[in-house]
This record gives sequence, structure tokens and C-alpha cells, in this order.
Amino acid sequence: QIQLVQSGPELKKPGETVKISCKASGYTFTNYGMNWVKQAPGKGLKWMGWINTYTGEPTYADDFKGRFAFSLETSASTAYLQINNLKNEDMATYFCARRNGNYVYYFDYWGQGTTLTVSS
Amino acid sequence: DIVLTQSPASLAVSLGQRATISCRASQSVSTSSYSYMHWYQQKPGQPPKLLIKYASNLESGVPARFSGSGSGTDFTLNIHPVEEEDTATYYCQHSWEIPWTFGGGTKLEIK
Repeated sequence: QIQLVQSGPELKKPGETVKISCKASGYTFTNYGMNWVKQAPGKGLKWMGWINTYTGEPTYADDFKGRFAFSLETSASTAYLQINNLKNEDMATYFCARRNGNYVYYFDYWGQGTTLTVSS
Repeated sequence: DIVLTQSPASLAVSLGQRATISCRASQSVSTSSYSYMHWYQQKPGQPPKLLIKYASNLESGVPARFSGSGSGTDFTLNIHPVEEEDTATYYCQHSWEIPWTFGGGTKLEIK
């Protein structure tokens, strides 16, 4: 069965770096784009961007340009989200989500979420 | 960016009755063939779950009491009859252009 399994909760200090993983199984990893979605505590969903798992090309939403980086380890069917120079406002749950569809894209499988706490 | 406005922000519906959630886009997200609008359900502590794609297509495994409709800028998610397990927050999401955005969410409580 198709699964996206994310790495565990993280506790970091402001200014540090975090790297969150999303391991896919049950399908051909390079056939579907991978998206990242942020959910701040008690808030709604915010799309951060996606990475083309075939070419490795990332696309970032405007609010996530600069300190955020998407990457892949294709041989391990794993996508990564790295956040540099952490700020208090980065505290949130981060989800990876598989993109499906032809031209009309939707998110059909989601990881369980990784909770990031940023505190000095 | 396309803004998706959901209403109401919260609603309480009696068991067995109908819940109706609206999502309005700041510009059209439909062509003559497809609507680039999708609906998700999120329960506390869980990731979102896809319910409806292309505005009205039920995702495999989702109960038939969920239905979606609409085109252009106005879309609706209906749940009838509501069950206890439908307590959740519901989000619409478009994929018309980047950035893909979500509505603010509608929290459904079952009375």
C-alpha cells in the first residue's frame, strides 16, 4: 500500500537548521511530484511548494523562498525539507503530500506530519 | 494569488441532517472540461484526507454521503446524512495556478 512516512518531532533553537524527511513506499517515487504543506498551531493549511521527483527541480511559494530547501534522495524514495536559520514563526507541523492528476493536480496521499518546535 | 474564502468558519449540524460548506474563489478556477478545486477533511492530530477532486469526483473509499458541486468561482461540499465521525475541519484547495492555496477551513461539529 502507498505510504508516506515522515521523520519524528524536532526541537530546535532559533538560528539552527532542521531537515525533515518523507519516505515514500508502495509506488514509483519518480512518477509523482512531492509537495510540502505547513500548518501552524491551531491554524489552516499553507502550501509551501513542490519538488519534481523526476528532475529534482523545486518550486517554492513566495513566502518560502530563501531559508527553505527541498531535496531528494531518489535511491531511497525520500524527499527532504530543510529550513535554515530557524525563527519562532517556523514552529508548525509540516506535511509532505503526493501530487497526483494530469494537469489538474491534487494531493492524494499525505505523510503523518512532523512537528517542529522552535524555542530558546 | 487566488484567495479561497470558505463559509461558514464553523457550523454545528444535528446527526442525520445536512451540512453545507461553501468555498468562493477570487477568480475562476474552471475550464469547460474541469474544475481545479478539491476538498479535504482533517481530524485533530491527523493529516488531511482527500475527499473530492475536480470539484465533484468522489475519491475512492470516501462514503457517498459526501458530494461536491460548483464551477467557476463558487463551490460547495455537502455531507448528508452527517455522522458522528464527520466531526472535522474541511478545506477547499485549488490547483489552477501556482501558488496552490487552501481555504481557511470550516470546522464541523455534530450535535
